[in-house]
Amino acid sequence: AQKVTQAQTEISVVEKEDVTLDCVYETRDTTYYLFWYKQPPSGELVFLIRRNSFDEQNEISGRYSWNFQKSTSSFNFTITASQVVDSAVYFCALMTTDSWGKLQFGAGTQVVVTP
Amino acid sequence: DAGVIQSPRHEVTEMGQEVTLRCKPISGHNSLFWYRQTMMRGLELLIYFNNNVPIDDSGMPEDRFSAKMPNASFSTLKIQPSEPRDSAVYFCASSLSRPVASSESLGFGADTQYFGPGTRLTVL
Repeated sequence: AQKVTQAQTEISVVEKEDVTLDCVYETRDTTYYLFWYKQPPSGELVFLIRRNSFDEQNEISGRYSWNFQKSTSSFNFTITASQVVDSAVYFCALMTTDSWGKLQFGAGTQVVVTP
Repeated sequence: DAGVIQSPRHEVTEMGQEVTLRCKPISGHNSLFWYRQTMMRGLELLIYFNNNVPIDDSGMPEDRFSAKMPNASFSTLKIQPSEPRDSAVYFCASSLSRPVASSESLGFGADTQYFGPGTRLTVL
């Protein structure tokens, strides 16, 4: 069975602080994909990144960076120099070749950035 | 380019009424997904289609829920009769999915799903 755990329910930071969101996943499949989505207060789900299980390179996109470690089954997300516009719920999700098409979402982490 | 379009954005109805939610996927995408989001259960997949054919409806909560995809550019999710516990945000997503015929390819299946803005359903 697949499972995604986002243990942090809510993280509050002051603008310009860095914030790291944890994501731990469980799967027996050797080929799988991990995703991060952002859900701002307006409600839509915005795709941020997709990573496959064979690519453990860390990725940086502007102020966003992702750390994928298969050894600890983690795919953590860091926002550097946070801004108020980063306030949102962030979801980590898993898709395996055994359950093609089915995104297994974590419970989400609410990030609150105050000025 | 237009993203996934959903209508209505908000729906308020009374228990027992029929509700129809609509979705237009991104042009050229061949897979369509219906999700439901609630505080209690989070985001859960209800059903998905590939090339207009339902592939997996194991997430559909009960017979009151049905979904159709008559063509590549339109899908509906219907609840009849509706109940207060159906109150949730319903998302439609689409992706361009490659065939799952081969396990040698890393591009196998797990294409990115792009979500619509959602329909907030309230059943009184």
